Amino acid sequence: DQQVKQNSPSLSVQEGRISILNCDYTNSMFDYFLWYKKYPAEGPTFLISISSIKDKNEDGRFTVFLNKSAKHLSLHIVPSQPGDSAVYFCAASAGGTGNQFYFGTGTSLTVIP
Amino acid sequence: GAGVSQSPRYKVAKRGQDVALRCDPISGHVSLFWYQQALGQGPEFLTYFQNEAQLDKSGLPSDRFFAERPEGSVSTLKIQRTQQEDSAVYLCASSFGVAGNWGEQYFGPGTRLTVT
Repeated sequence: DQQVKQNSPSLSVQEGRISILNCDYTNSMFDYFLWYKKYPAEGPTFLISISSIKDKNEDGRFTVFLNKSAKHLSLHIVPSQPGDSAVYFCAASAGGTGNQFYFGTGTSLTVIP
Repeated sequence: GAGVSQSPRYKVAKRGQDVALRCDPISGHVSLFWYQQALGQGPEFLTYFQNEAQLDKSGLPSDRFFAERPEGSVSTLKIQRTQQEDSAVYLCASSFGVAGNWGEQYFGPGTRLTVT
């Protein structure tokens, strides 16, 4: 059973516009969430994380929003750049008790110049 | 280099062969994870080490899979009697922290295993 879901396999956005990638989870014990970016033939690269004690975390062009009641998080990229084209994975962990990180299936973002 | 390295990058095995995949984590990183990533899927947890102790192996799909980290640094994932369904990319990740204070996980480039 998929505990972390990314329902949009792909997304296309014009350069300079906002990219919004969504992620839903089912396990209410998850308290630590991460976003990773992955280029072909490389391992995932950490982008940004958020703890469940926050509802927003910002790092440059990247902002992650967490809605615990809806069990939903989103990654906003503003402004989008062609170099942002990659597959984005969200991941979650019950950080206080669990050793496992659960990943979504990924969203392929294409930023059109 | 300063990152996580994995070898080999590509491995082709005939069904029934044993394979060994190596991971060199970032020096000083306490936590080490192995993941399996099938085509079009996200990474799936296999096992977790804290230093040399294997604290969680609940994700290993069968007893043909075995992992070790004897000195708390380099780790090896061994797959015995490989089957076609074992074909996947095997990712290793390490982090400085532990449960409750993970910090960032750094991933290696992965080993692509193809079983023919």
